Amino acid sequence: DAGVIQSPRHEVTEMGQEVTLRCKPISGHDYLFWYRQTMMRGLELLIYFNNNVPIDDSGMPEDRFSAKMPNASFSTLKIQPSEPRDSAVYFCASSRAQVYSYTFGSGTRLTVV
Amino acid sequence: AQSVTQLGSHVSVSEGALVLLRCNYSSSVPPYLFWYVQYPNQGLQLLLKYTSAATLVKGINGFEAEFKKSETSFHLTKPSAHMSDAAEYFCAVSKGAQKLVFGQGTRLTINP
Repeated sequence: DAGVIQSPRHEVTEMGQEVTLRCKPISGHDYLFWYRQTMMRGLELLIYFNNNVPIDDSGMPEDRFSAKMPNASFSTLKIQPSEPRDSAVYFCASSRAQVYSYTFGSGTRLTVV
Repeated sequence: AQSVTQLGSHVSVSEGALVLLRCNYSSSVPPYLFWYVQYPNQGLQLLLKYTSAATLVKGINGFEAEFKKSETSFHLTKPSAHMSDAAEYFCAVSKGAQKLVFGQGTRLTINP
């Protein structure tokens, strides 16, 4: 099992550019989560999916953020346009229903300059 | 809404000493509780979880935690600290809806 795979590991972009973060969950996991980690706010849940359907996106900061899960093995988090305050580490995690063992990816460190 | 409070953003212990990281939860219903560890530049790794079974939960790397409903606590302990335990530790709560809410984290430093 390769675990949860995120790409890229690091992303540096200029303010105003579009950024796309990618996640491949563990096969057989039917929940997928996107978290953001910053020094000031800690770990925040942005959105989560169940069976590819968004269940709760109340943590998405604003309309500049969007997330999709077109199939069970792939999800994207897009920021358009990006701003310096979006700089953070973005984590993807997946789990199976009723198991409550979330597996996190290694994260994408985003820097917006 | 459920939440967790971790007491102490930084904890420092000597190698071989007891590790105690504190977590208190707020939940109107019996929660599921978790401890995760994060090493530098890595994702979070599950240490242990409480899901309404035994109140004393044993995890990986010699860590354990005890669910105390009367104190609304879920403190993490390890009898003897090792240098490799230096990391950031997160307590988290879920009300069964699969959504985890994390505490602010406690950075553990081990002194030789």
